[in-house]
Order: sequence, then C-alpha cells, then structure tokens
Amino acid sequence: SAVISQKPSRDICQRGTSLTIQCQVDSQVTMMFWYRQQPGQSLTLIATANQGSEATYESGFVIDKFPISRPNLTFSTLTVSNMSPEDSSIYLCSATVGNGYTFGSGTRLTVV
Amino acid sequence: GENVEQHPSTLSVQEGDSAVIKCTYSDSASNYFPWYKQELGKRPQLIIDIRSNVGEKKDQRIAVTLNKTAKHFSLHITETQPEDSAVYFCAATLSSGSARQLTFGSGTQLTVLP
Repeated sequence: SAVISQKPSRDICQRGTSLTIQCQVDSQVTMMFWYRQQPGQSLTLIATANQGSEATYESGFVIDKFPISRPNLTFSTLTVSNMSPEDSSIYLCSATVGNGYTFGSGTRLTVV
Repeated sequence: GENVEQHPSTLSVQEGDSAVIKCTYSDSASNYFPWYKQELGKRPQLIIDIRSNVGEKKDQRIAVTLNKTAKHFSLHITETQPEDSAVYFCAATLSSGSARQLTFGSGTQLTVLP
C-alpha cells in the first residue's frame, strides 16, 4: 500500500501566526483529503484537494482560514492561518491508493 | 450527505471474549465500508473493509458484516487480546471512478482487560 509522509509531526505555535503542513505520497493520487481530529473525537473532513483545481471545502471550513495547495499528483499542503487556541487539534491528510484510503501520520498542533 | 452513527462509544471486554461494534449509515448509495484502528498518538490504520456486493468478510480474528437493506454494518473481534485495545472507527463512502471522502463514525474506545 502507499505511504504518506506528513510533516511536521507536531508544533506549538503562537496565536495569530500560520502553520503549513505538508504531505507527500509515494505514488500519484488523484484526490487528497485533509481531516481534523480534535482530542477524543472522530475525524472531520476539512477539504478535498484535486490536482489542478481549487480545493472543495466542507461546511464550516473556509479557504481563507485553511488554504490548500495541490501542485502535483504526489504532494499537498494545508495551511492553518491566523491561528487561535481553538485550532489546536490533530490534522491528517489522506489519499486513496488502490482500493483503500491511507493516512499520513498526523500533525499535532497546539496554539498558545 | 452521508451520516454514520457508531455504537457503543466505549466497550470493555475480558481478554478472550468477543467484541462487537455497530454502525449505521444513511446514504443507500454508499458501497465501501472500512474499519480503522487508531492507537493513542498514531494514525488510523485500516484493519478490514467490505464492499456492498458481499455480506461478510473475515480476516483471522476480525470479521465485518454488512446488511444493505437495514444500512448497517458491524465489526466483530473474537478472542480479544490486550493489544486490541484502541479506538475503532467505522466509515462509509461511495467508491466510484473518482475518489470520494470517507465519512467517519464517532469512534469506539475498546478496552480489553487482562
């Protein structure tokens, strides 16, 4: 199965700043997905990123807050902008490879 | 859109006993149902999945059953071991030519007591 490398694995950031999370897949994938997982909660989809087009955002998530890039079929970034303590969470990228969905290792973000 | 409900939220079993986690989904078009195991601080790992053209699938101690009419599916773990302790998530999606996002259940914290 595919491997997704995600970085950083964790970060502590000051409120008002931005953090960019990167995901690299070891094979070409059409769609990549970005999820947020708050402590003790399930995974909530932020957006779907298709190479060559604008990302599609779920209700409650906006491009100005979570801009996404998808420059090629193996890479994507998610930026968490103008951070507040409410953004403290785990962020995960995902992609479908073959018949299944694979996840990156996650980024644990703490905003202070 | 799809909505997935998962029960129970917590489950404690004695080592060697069986554990069953149940999920229901709302979108009758969904045709792919994976189960993920997430250990503390780790990424979700696929443990088993089932597609709508079959009713049951087994992999050693793990099995999944699907009832399309009732729109529910279940995870069965037999002969549980302490290393089975984790959070388990069910998910559903319509798997077609283009990938679609997974919709996750709320998760079940399984604790296997030695």
